[in-house]
Amino acid sequence: QQPVQSPQAVILREGEDAVINCSSSKALYSVHWYRQKHGEAPVFLMILLKGGEQKGHDKISASFNEKKQQSSLYLTASQLSYSGTYFCGTEIEGNTGFQKLVFGTGTRLLVSP
Amino acid sequence: DAGVTQSPTHLIKTRGQQVTLRCSPKSGHDTVSWYQQALGQGPQFIFQYYEEEERQRGNFPDRFSGHQFPNYSSELNVNALLLGDSALYLCASSFQAGGGETQYFGPGTRLLVL
Repeated sequence: QQPVQSPQAVILREGEDAVINCSSSKALYSVHWYRQKHGEAPVFLMILLKGGEQKGHDKISASFNEKKQQSSLYLTASQLSYSGTYFCGTEIEGNTGFQKLVFGTGTRLLVSP
Repeated sequence: DAGVTQSPTHLIKTRGQQVTLRCSPKSGHDTVSWYQQALGQGPQFIFQYYEEEERQRGNFPDRFSGHQFPNYSSELNVNALLLGDSALYLCASSFQAGGGETQYFGPGTRLLVL
């Protein structure tokens, strides 16, 4: 059930771009993206809903391919503050008929000056 | 606008003991989800509460139980603690238990079991 994220880690220089991918084997209601810095709680970045609606961060974009059950997070013109671990959370149907959020193993991003 | 709050921030227990963690949701939110995050891993879903009922549960044993109060705050109880229960426990709140709602995380409670 756990979505697979790639790459596992990426190192960027400030100003470079990166793409983080998330793939699930289950049908998805939505995909949520979070960034977590060391010792802190995950911070909401973006949610992508079936049908194309997106809600989230101004400087970060993402895509959601419902048929392929995949999502990608696009980080452009990276800043030092982008460093952290990125998690995708895939919203799937649980065994009670209600949805639950299942997180991937994360992608570590380091942006250097 | 107060965000999600959790208490305590840190806790040290010994094997076999019981622990209770607390969470107050963000203002206006009525749904609370609990997650366990081991070091270097993503958050693992424990369960979700809405209208004081457990709506969904992850793959956690019955030692993990919870409660939601009329003011939407929630507790996570873990009995018979094991060394493997050492982790960061995160609470997230959202508005309504329906799909597609953003979950906001609290700062977490770091539990160490010796």
